[in-house]
Amino acid sequence: KNEVEQSPQNLTAQEGEFITINCSYSVGISALHWLQQHPGGGIVSLFMLSSGKKKHGRLIATINIQEKHSSLHITASHPRDSAVYICAAPNSGGSNYKLTFGKGTLLTVNP
Amino acid sequence: KAGVTQTPRYLIKTRGQQVTLSCSPISGHRSVSWYQQTPGQGLQFLFEYFSETQRNKGNFPGRFSGRQFSNSRSEMNVSTLELGDSALYLCASSLVLGNTGELFFGEGSRLTVL
Repeated sequence: KNEVEQSPQNLTAQEGEFITINCSYSVGISALHWLQQHPGGGIVSLFMLSSGKKKHGRLIATINIQEKHSSLHITASHPRDSAVYICAAPNSGGSNYKLTFGKGTLLTVNP
Repeated sequence: KAGVTQTPRYLIKTRGQQVTLSCSPISGHRSVSWYQQTPGQGLQFLFEYFSETQRNKGNFPGRFSGRQFSNSRSEMNVSTLELGDSALYLCASSLVLGNTGELFFGEGSRLTVL
């Protein structure tokens, strides 16, 4: 089973700050997901990446397969970025692709 | 393009009852996966269906079951409800099997068991 650890659990920032959320996993994977969940429950997929770096607007995700580590960065943070950010990694090997989720990082961006 | 639709959004049941939740995926998506989210355990994988067959299953008791129809719509059923089954149940659809493609989530069905 893949163990997925996120840090920090809670993060408070001022508008405009650069944000970094980290995710480590224990077993080699083919791809890692970053998800965003706003109050009320809806989840949006932000990134799925298997190597290197991806960018979408002010969001950047990186992954280091050798170190089994991924980071999600938010540049010029805004109050609307306040949400829970969750990383998820599939179990490796065979046909077993169950996703294991981190506990999530609650981000609060104050104006 | 319509998103993933889950019904009902909210429901209240009592212990011992059963419940059926529905998930309509994005048109063309053949994979539907189900997840349970609770404050204590966070998000946990329940099962995945692809082309009407259950392909992967999480570590949940047999009271949790599901199925997928030929139009890719999926239902999950929980029998003999327990208080601990109170949770947000989310489904996600994808073009490909095995959580190796982008996931599109529904808004969830919030189940309260009294």
